Amino acid sequence: KAGVTQTPRYLIKTRGQQVTLSCSPISGHRSVSWYQQTPGQGLQFLFEYFSETQRNKGNFPGRFSGRQFSNSRSEMNVSTLELGDSALYLCASSLAPGISSYEQYFGPGTRLTVT
Amino acid sequence: DAKTTQPNSMESNEEEPVHLPCNHSTISGTDYIHWYRQLPSQGPEYVIHGLTSNVNNRMASLAIAEDRKSSTLILHRATLRDAAVYYCILRDPGNDMRFGAGTRLTVKP
Repeated sequence: KAGVTQTPRYLIKTRGQQVTLSCSPISGHRSVSWYQQTPGQGLQFLFEYFSETQRNKGNFPGRFSGRQFSNSRSEMNVSTLELGDSALYLCASSLAPGISSYEQYFGPGTRLTVT
Repeated sequence: DAKTTQPNSMESNEEEPVHLPCNHSTISGTDYIHWYRQLPSQGPEYVIHGLTSNVNNRMASLAIAEDRKSSTLILHRATLRDAAVYYCILRDPGNDMRFGAGTRLTVKP
């Protein structure tokens, strides 16, 4: 079974631009979560989607948004990029949300650099 | 959110057992204890999880204290490939996973 895939793997943008990252979950997984990882803040939860609906959202500004499609694939968007948005963005999939015994499977991440 | 406390770093010798501790004194009855690890330049990887009883899988064992206020991840024979940051996470129903700083494990040959 193929793992979680994320595209692109690397991205360089300039301040003020916007970016869209894509995530394809493991086949059969319907929940997708996004995380931001930086050296200073570690792994921080962004949001979770299930059945095309956002279930949970972390403490991030409204510039960060996402969506999920009917095939469970998900995208996240960051508008008006700031230097501090430079990070590794990780996507994780799970069979279903809110089941505390279910594990999450992570993709390799998208490394975003904002200059 | 229930929080976990882990040592910042630990060292081990190759082929020796490693015991990675985690304290979670505010754990609630429905919280599962999850362990993930993140190898360099990779996304986190699921290791093991449990609720009350000790658990074993091909990667590791999880020992949970009787009062559930602490747990220990056991790698039976550390290899160089086990060098990673190990995260202990409490997951309650309906909520997302919150990662702490984790324990950076160094394995010496």
